[in-house]
Amino acid sequence: DAGVIQSPRHEVTEMGQEVTLRCKPISGHNSLFWYRQTMMRGLELLIYFNNNVPIDDSGMPEDRFSAKMPNASFSTLKIQPSEPRDSAVYFCASSFGEDNEQFFGPGTRLTVL
Amino acid sequence: KQEVTQIPAALSVPEGENLVLNCSFTDSAIYNLQWFRQDPGKGLTSLLLIQSSQREQTSGRLNASLDKSSGRSTLYIAASQPGDSATYLCAVRPAAGNNRKLIWGLGTSLAVNP
Repeated sequence: DAGVIQSPRHEVTEMGQEVTLRCKPISGHNSLFWYRQTMMRGLELLIYFNNNVPIDDSGMPEDRFSAKMPNASFSTLKIQPSEPRDSAVYFCASSFGEDNEQFFGPGTRLTVL
Repeated sequence: KQEVTQIPAALSVPEGENLVLNCSFTDSAIYNLQWFRQDPGKGLTSLLLIQSSQREQTSGRLNASLDKSSGRSTLYIAASQPGDSATYLCAVRPAAGNNRKLIWGLGTSLAVNP
């Protein structure tokens, strides 16, 4: 298996622009997680899905952030409009069952100027 | 509220040394605990997962222990190598309640010097 795939790996954008991050989970996994990592706050769970349904989005910072999972093999995290404080590494992870071992993608490093 | 602490934040050791990384948590009611490794600029790699009913897990030169009553887990690395240099994170999953998401420590940055 190719593991969790994320794109793009790096994104540099200007404040106010829309940013879309993409994730393909490991085939057969039914839980998908979006995390944000910064030096100051470490890893933060933004939202997770079970069987394509959002379960807990309490970590989503504000309405500028939205996530979708239209099918079992694809999810997006969108930021609109982006702000400099959104600069971070965004990770996607998947697991078979929400309580089980999570496997992480390589991350997307987002820089908002 | 569950809190996870990893001390020290950074550690530097000579190659070949056996070492222990520490993870402490404030609420002993956990479902499982997971250790991860993160290389600079990379994603996280799962190393070991210990269920609440287990006391330890081993994988190669790595051994993770769990003591729920004292709220502690340790990751033991035997005969350390420069390739072990990375940040090691632990994450705890609460046992009950509505909030079952992983609670993360900030990690220990390990440097193994040749």
